[in-house]
Amino acid sequence: AQSVTQPDIHITVSEGASLELRCNYSYGATPYLFWYVQSPGQGLQLLLKYFSGDTLVQGIKGFEAEFKRSQSSFNLRKPSVHWSDAAEYFCAVADNNAGNMLTFGGGTRLMVKP
Amino acid sequence: DTGVSQDPRHKITKRGQNVTFRCDPISEHNRLYWYRQTLGQGPEFLTYFQNEAQLEKSRLLSDRFSAERPKGSFSTLEIQRTEQGDSAMYLCASGIWGREDPLAYEQYFGPGTRLTVT
Repeated sequence: AQSVTQPDIHITVSEGASLELRCNYSYGATPYLFWYVQSPGQGLQLLLKYFSGDTLVQGIKGFEAEFKRSQSSFNLRKPSVHWSDAAEYFCAVADNNAGNMLTFGGGTRLMVKP
Repeated sequence: DTGVSQDPRHKITKRGQNVTFRCDPISEHNRLYWYRQTLGQGPEFLTYFQNEAQLEKSRLLSDRFSAERPKGSFSTLEIQRTEQGDSAMYLCASGIWGREDPLAYEQYFGPGTRLTVT
């Protein structure tokens, strides 16, 4: 069965500092990977996705993620964090044999210090 | 805005009561998904529809949970005889399925319905 692990439950960074959120997945075939962001009281917003091709993918709000098959990782990065980035971030993998259902990690809560 | 909408946004109910939630997907989307999110966890898949057909329901948490999408547009999720453990956020998402469609794997989420069972 597929699974997603986000090792960091909470991360605090200073505004303007760089950010990396870790994601490790387990999936038998070529994974389709996603990062979503959830602000308090809001639904999930898609930041970026990886299906195939270039392993460095760009998303919205200045985020990028790098797929590393050898490490089963799909880490999210941002070079300079803004206070408005404070939110919960979820990594997910799609099961394309089961209607593309998403399996999510437990999430990483990002706090931004002024 | 033609995003995914859910109603109600909040529901407080007493244990043993039945509740029903509604999801209106993005209009051209033929797939609709339901997820449950408990506090401090990532969303957990429950079921999904392609048009009006429910193609996966083995992940529904118990036989107290059921979902419908009668005309292939909006969907309802019903929980019968609610228990305190059902307290959670229930999320709906919609997407497009087409074998050659590059957007086929994207899911767009609604704001969720937060259920509190007292």
